[in-house]
Amino acid sequence: DTAVSQTPKYLVTQMGNDKSIKCEQNLGHDTMYWYKQDSKKFLKIMFSYNNKELIINETVPNRFSPKSPDKAHLNLHINSLELGDSAVYFCASSRGQGVNTEAFFGQGTRLTVV
Amino acid sequence: DAKTTQPPSMDCAEGRAANLPCNHSTISGNEYVYWYRQIHSQGPQYIIHGLKNNETNEMASLIITEDRKSSTLILPHATLRDTAVYYCIVRAYSSNTGKLIFGQGTTLQVKP
Repeated sequence: DTAVSQTPKYLVTQMGNDKSIKCEQNLGHDTMYWYKQDSKKFLKIMFSYNNKELIINETVPNRFSPKSPDKAHLNLHINSLELGDSAVYFCASSRGQGVNTEAFFGQGTRLTVV
Repeated sequence: DAKTTQPPSMDCAEGRAANLPCNHSTISGNEYVYWYRQIHSQGPQYIIHGLKNNETNEMASLIITEDRKSSTLILPHATLRDTAVYYCIVRAYSSNTGKLIFGQGTTLQVKP
C-alpha cells in the first residue's frame, strides 16, 4: 500500500497548456510538500502545507498553484506551462514540521513540456 | 541552516561497509544532521538523523565527530540496491517548517 502516491507518473504536454498533478498520502500526516528536481538533479522545495494551510512558498511563479482539499491531499496545478517547467516533481509528507520528523516522498511525476 | 560538503562520488564493493563522509564545519549547537538517499528514478528516502550522539537503525549508522563539524554515514554491508545519491542535510532544532535543503549529495556506486 503506497504511502505517498502521485498521479500521473509521466506527463508530456505542450507549452501554454494547463496541467495538474495529484498527490495523496495515507500516513495520517499533517504536513505535505512539493519539491522540484531539475535536469541537473537539484531538489528544491516549492510549497509546504500544514493542515491545509500554506506555510512555505519558495518564490515560485504564480503559474503554480497548490491546492489542499484536505489533509491527505495536496495537488499542484500549473498554468501556461513553459519549457523551463520540465522537471520531476515530488510530493512528500511528514507528521508535523519539527526537527524530529522524517519526510516520506512519492515516486515523482516527470513533466516534459514540448 | 548550515552548509554541508560531500564528495561527489564514491565506489564501494558489494558486501563491504560504505562510509560516506559529510563536512558541516559551520554547524551550530541546535542543528541536527540528516541523511536521505535517492535511488535512481525514485523519491528521496529518509535514512537516519542525529544531534551529537552516534545513532544506529536498521538501515545505517551515523557517526558524528565530537566537535560536530563532520559526520559519516555507514552502510555496514552494502548491496547493489544501495547504489544511490546520498544527501547529508543540516536542520535547526528550531526549524518548524519541515523544509529540507538538498545539496548535490554523493553518488555511491556499489560494485559486484
